[in-house]
Amino acid sequence: EVQLVESGGALVQPGGSLRLSCAASGFTFSNYWMHWVRQAPGKGLEWVSRINSDGSSTTYADSVKGRFTISRDNAKNTLYLQMNSLRAEDTAVYYCAGILSRVTEYWGQGTLVPVSS
Amino acid sequence: QPVLTQSSSASASLGSSVKLTCTLSSGHSSNIIAWHQQQPGKAPRYLMKLESSGTYNKGSGVPDRFSGSSSGADRYLTISNLQSEDEADFYCETWDSNTQVFGGGTKLTVL
Repeated sequence: EVQLVESGGALVQPGGSLRLSCAASGFTFSNYWMHWVRQAPGKGLEWVSRINSDGSSTTYADSVKGRFTISRDNAKNTLYLQMNSLRAEDTAVYYCAGILSRVTEYWGQGTLVPVSS
Repeated sequence: QPVLTQSSSASASLGSSVKLTCTLSSGHSSNIIAWHQQQPGKAPRYLMKLESSGTYNKGSGVPDRFSGSSSGADRYLTISNLQSEDEADFYCETWDSNTQVFGGGTKLTVL
């Protein structure tokens, strides 16, 4: 059974930092591009960042560029998102997701990141 | 980069059929898309991958009631024999070399 389990979500103050993790199992993690998608309360899905299968190429949404860093450890089957200089508008549920043939095939259950003082 | 346009809402009666539309922006009409379902309070769920030819591949466990089709820049998700559990938000997704792109989502109400 495919599983993507996010962790690391927590209340953080504006300007603070947080690192999200996503543990993958049930599929060959190293074959998949991966990405992070977020959903602000009551809003739609917003793509955040993507990483290719060996970690050599990354892309970011303009809204997080320069503040967030995506990375992966294929030996540990784990995806990461380092989030710095957090803002109130970063408040959202963050989903880890696996891409096959250019679109998302696997979704995690999400982790909530509230940014508030 | 591609833009995906979806109607904000749709409604249909229990047991009937509904066809949701996702339109690709100019220059991207040949893109593959995916359809995802998000039931209230839950994570999104992958439904299917849909090509410009109309060929689609559904995810594991997706009922036969869900099907896909294409016409030009439009990609469709048809749900037959609507059930109460089909009430959800539906998102389409595509990609390019720099980004993944999601449509704004369609909220489906089952009457």
